[in-house]
Amino acid sequence: DAGVTQSPTHLIKTRGQHVTLRCSPISGHKSVSWYQQVLGQGPQFIFQYYEKEERGRGNFPDRFSARQFPNYSSELNVNALLLGDSALYLCASSSPTSGTYYEQYFGPGTRLTVT
Amino acid sequence: KQEVTQIPAALSVPEGENLVLNCSFTDSAIYNLQWFRQDPGKGLTSLLLIQSSQREQTSGRLNASLDKSSGRSTLYIAASQPGDSATYLCAVEDYGNNRLAFGKGNQVVVIP
Repeated sequence: DAGVTQSPTHLIKTRGQHVTLRCSPISGHKSVSWYQQVLGQGPQFIFQYYEKEERGRGNFPDRFSARQFPNYSSELNVNALLLGDSALYLCASSSPTSGTYYEQYFGPGTRLTVT
Repeated sequence: KQEVTQIPAALSVPEGENLVLNCSFTDSAIYNLQWFRQDPGKGLTSLLLIQSSQREQTSGRLNASLDKSSGRSTLYIAASQPGDSATYLCAVEDYGNNRLAFGKGNQVVVIP
């Protein structure tokens, strides 16, 4: 079975631009979460979606938004990019019915560089 | 707010030695605790998940313990190998919110 997939792998943007990151969860998983990992730090929670509804939001500005589609894939959007948005963006999926007690499975991440 | 601390931040050990990595958290009302491995620039690989009702989990050379009352978990890696070189992250899920709070990680180098 395919794991969590994310696209693109890397991208470079200029300050002030907009970016869209994409995530496909493990087949059958209905929950998707987004995390930001700045170099040298642990991942920080941004959003969680379950069954297309936002279930949680971390301490991030309104420039960050996300959505989940009927096939449970998800997009993370960031507007008006700042240099400080440069990070590895990680997507995780989980399923309360998987029998693994909400274990979260992470994708390979998207490396965003803002210049 | 849950805060997770991992010590030491970095360590080097000769091949064959046992590794002991520590994680502490401030709020003991957790749902579960997960240990992850991260290779440079890569995503996270789940190693072990310990439910709040459990005291330990084992997988191969890895063993993780959980002492919820004292807010601590320890990851043991037996007979370390150069391939174990990576950053190990501890994350806790507070009860019922399905979001993980991470520590900064233990950066491990196993010297051949």
